Amino acid sequence: GESVGLHLPTLSVQEGDNSIINCAYSNSASDYFIWYKQESGKGPQFIIDIRSNMDKRQGQRVTVLLNKTVKHLSLQIAATQPGDSAVYFCAERGETSGSRLTFGEGTQLTVNP
Amino acid sequence: DARVTQTPRHKVTEMGQEVTMRCQPILGHNTVFWYRQTMMQGLELLAYFRNRAPLDDSGMPKDRFSAEMPDATLATLKIQPSEPRDSAVYFCASGLRPSGRGETQYFGPGTRLLVL
Repeated sequence: GESVGLHLPTLSVQEGDNSIINCAYSNSASDYFIWYKQESGKGPQFIIDIRSNMDKRQGQRVTVLLNKTVKHLSLQIAATQPGDSAVYFCAERGETSGSRLTFGEGTQLTVNP
Repeated sequence: DARVTQTPRHKVTEMGQEVTMRCQPILGHNTVFWYRQTMMQGLELLAYFRNRAPLDDSGMPKDRFSAEMPDATLATLKIQPSEPRDSAVYFCASGLRPSGRGETQYFGPGTRLLVL
């Protein structure tokens, strides 16, 4: 349907807590998924990616989980810090879509000191 | 520290004027993407190039937008004539695609365009 404006989901956490940001995708043929972080006034910054032949991947303080059965992706941030405050986007790429990524609407994470 | 650079960072212009945005991809990257971000539509892919050849420009309004790669170190996005609805942040991203696998896209800081 037609969007009348994006209303970003928001997540507010206390410093030191773990954060979980969720993303649902619709294309069952997607084979590659990425999480990006975008701070105010900056471009999206790559955080972590995962291919469809995996269900979990860990980075530094971040973990991405992929559940292909329900087409769900999540980003877990351990010991969240004020510098983690940003909008987080998931993106997916289909097997046949070349390099085209489809981005989700984003989630605004606010970390309270 | 390799990064994508974009110029100008900010542009204010009047309706009907030509706007040119430039991007320098990360050295060695062979794929360049142009995105537009607005509050209404989020992040949209306009076009992308591989090895300087356009592969997909289906997201770009053809009547007023054009994208080129004069050489491997420069990508341009032009709007002529510009309209107020073109006001947005335009991002360039680059990546390196080995054959048979996808690439990670690295974004520049964006050009913030305001068309009055």
